[in-house]
This record gives sequence, structure tokens and C-alpha cells, in this order.
Amino acid sequence: EIVMTQSPATLSVSPGERATLSCRASQGVSSDLAWYQQKPGQAPRLLIYGASTRATGIPARFGGSGSGTEFTLTISSLQSEDFAVYYCQQYNNWPRTFGQGTKVEIK
Amino acid sequence: QLQLQESGPGLVKPSETLSLTCTVSGGSISSSSYYWGWIRQPPGKGLEWIGSIYYSGSTYYNPSLKSRVTISVDTSKNQFSLKLSSVTAADTAVYYCARQVYDSKSWAWFDPWGQGTLVTVSS
Repeated sequence: EIVMTQSPATLSVSPGERATLSCRASQGVSSDLAWYQQKPGQAPRLLIYGASTRATGIPARFGGSGSGTEFTLTISSLQSEDFAVYYCQQYNNWPRTFGQGTKVEIK
Repeated sequence: QLQLQESGPGLVKPSETLSLTCTVSGGSISSSSYYWGWIRQPPGKGLEWIGSIYYSGSTYYNPSLKSRVTISVDTSKNQFSLKLSSVTAADTAVYYCARQVYDSKSWAWFDPWGQGTLVTVSS
């Protein structure tokens, strides 16, 4: 099983600032990585797939990069609605696995 | 617009079988382009993929749960279902159903998701 490790666990950021979230895979997953956003009491929402392709309707301030074992989600200028928990998920191998999440909170 | 809705008991006794159904609306579960998956999230914790099914009945399961999980599909009702046997308190979680999209190589990310349903295992 591929273990996905996200860092940091919590990120404190002021509105308008840039947020950088990391996801590391225990073995290479090529670009087979997705990012999700989850707000309290809601289901996860797909943000990014293929490591860097934004899903339909996702604002351009969300950007994904990386391949192999190291991946990054960048939110260029945090808006109030972006404070949430973010998860990465690999789909290179079965079972599909998720990271433990990074909470982005207001500083 | 595709929507998924989970349904089933919110309370299950230890050692019994958890049963949930996901109803798909706004699209056909028989589409050749998608699998249909179950994912769970214990309170305050992260996400765990349980398993996925194709409209033909082909399945993938998480090895950590495989011995206790059965996922089935009913194309006539546009539904798929989850059964998890011999449950314990550790199976208490929000259970989500979701559509799993095919990329160029395999069944990949999940989009969209149902709203989720909390299942508590307790006597």
C-alpha cells in the first residue's frame, strides 16, 4: 500500500496570503494524484487531478505541481472560503489511498 | 447534474452487518466511463477508500477490509450498495459514495461525492 504523507498538519495563513501544502508518496505515483477540499460538515470536493489539472469550476488561484513522490498544492491568494481541510489521493496503485489532510486555518 | 445520495441505518450493533445504498440521479450508473465507490471517514479523521464497482459488477476492494466488504450494483434502480460485516466501534464513520473517473490508465479520482451518512456502531 502506498502511504501518502501530508505536511504540515495545520497551516495558519492570513487572507490574501499564499498557502503551500505538501504531499509525499511512499513510492513513485507518476502524476496520478488528486487534491480535494473539505469544509466542515461537507463532502470532499475535487480540486486537482493529474497532479496539476484543475477540475471544472475550480478557481485559477488553486494550482498543483509535482510528480513521482513529491507534490504541492498552492493557493495563491487565500479567500475566506478557502479555509478548509485539504487531502491528496494517489491513484497509481490499488488500494487508492489518501493523505491524512492539512487544515488551512485563519491566522 | 449528477447527484449521489447515501441511505441506510444510522446505528448498527457490534458484530452485525452495516448496509448502505447509494442512489444515483442525473445520470446512468451503467455508463462505461465510471466506477462507483465507497469511502469512509471516522469522526475527526482522514479518508479511507473501501471499494469500487463497475456497472457490470466488477469490483475492487481495499485489502484491509476485503474479508468483510461486499459491494453490489442494481442498474435497474440506478443504485449501488455496501455491506460491511462483523462491525465494531472502529467502523463508526461518515460513509460517502462517489463516482470514480477513468483517466488514461485506470480508475482514478472521485467526483462528485454524496453528502455522506454517519453510521455509529454501538449497542
